[in-house]
Amino acid sequence: QKEVEQDPGPLSVPEGAIVSLNCTYSNSAFQYFMWYRQYSRKGPELLMYTYSSGNKEDGRFTAQVDKSSKYISLFIRDSQPSDSATYLCAFPPSGGYQKVTFGTGTKLQVIP
Amino acid sequence: ETGVTQSPTHLIKTRGQQVTLRCSSQSGHNTVSWYQQALGQGPQFIFQYYREEENGRGNFPPRFSGLQFPNYSSELNVNALELDDSALYLCASSLAADEQYFGPGTRLTVT
Repeated sequence: QKEVEQDPGPLSVPEGAIVSLNCTYSNSAFQYFMWYRQYSRKGPELLMYTYSSGNKEDGRFTAQVDKSSKYISLFIRDSQPSDSATYLCAFPPSGGYQKVTFGTGTKLQVIP
Repeated sequence: ETGVTQSPTHLIKTRGQQVTLRCSSQSGHNTVSWYQQALGQGPQFIFQYYREEENGRGNFPPRFSGLQFPNYSSELNVNALELDDSALYLCASSLAADEQYFGPGTRLTVT
């Protein structure tokens, strides 16, 4: 079983749609959870960082964590064409930002 | 832009050759991490340097080696290149364990 599972997509949605991106993980040692966004020909950039189970909101983005199910989600409300990118879930080993374990990424396309 | 620069942007090498990739950290950052991102995959951690010392290594063979210089810039060296080494190589700089900022990457093609 892979340590992190993420549907690679691609996922195509119309502008304004609510997008749901998901990852499952098997390593119980993962206690911190991140979402990165990677535009084509760019490096990943940190979108959200959360620790506890439940929801964390930042503008149009909501990160949701269910530690009991080892399942994390990223929701994007009112999606925009500028949201078209690859979204990577990521798991740092011990609360820092280093030596991160990444998912494979989900490629999202928001169609105007 | 993050302030992290990498060179070259693209590189084509032949199997068995050696390659050196370079990373210039964001000003004030003393830690550099290198990742390999194969096509359609997430980045895989190669190793990290903190104040010129290796500070952790992922599951990569010894032919992947690195250096960090006193100005905190860094090099990734790969010897005896294999076809599977074709990937985007990303460096990320940070101040110790704080948030890391990624460069745009170097795309390496091994033929």
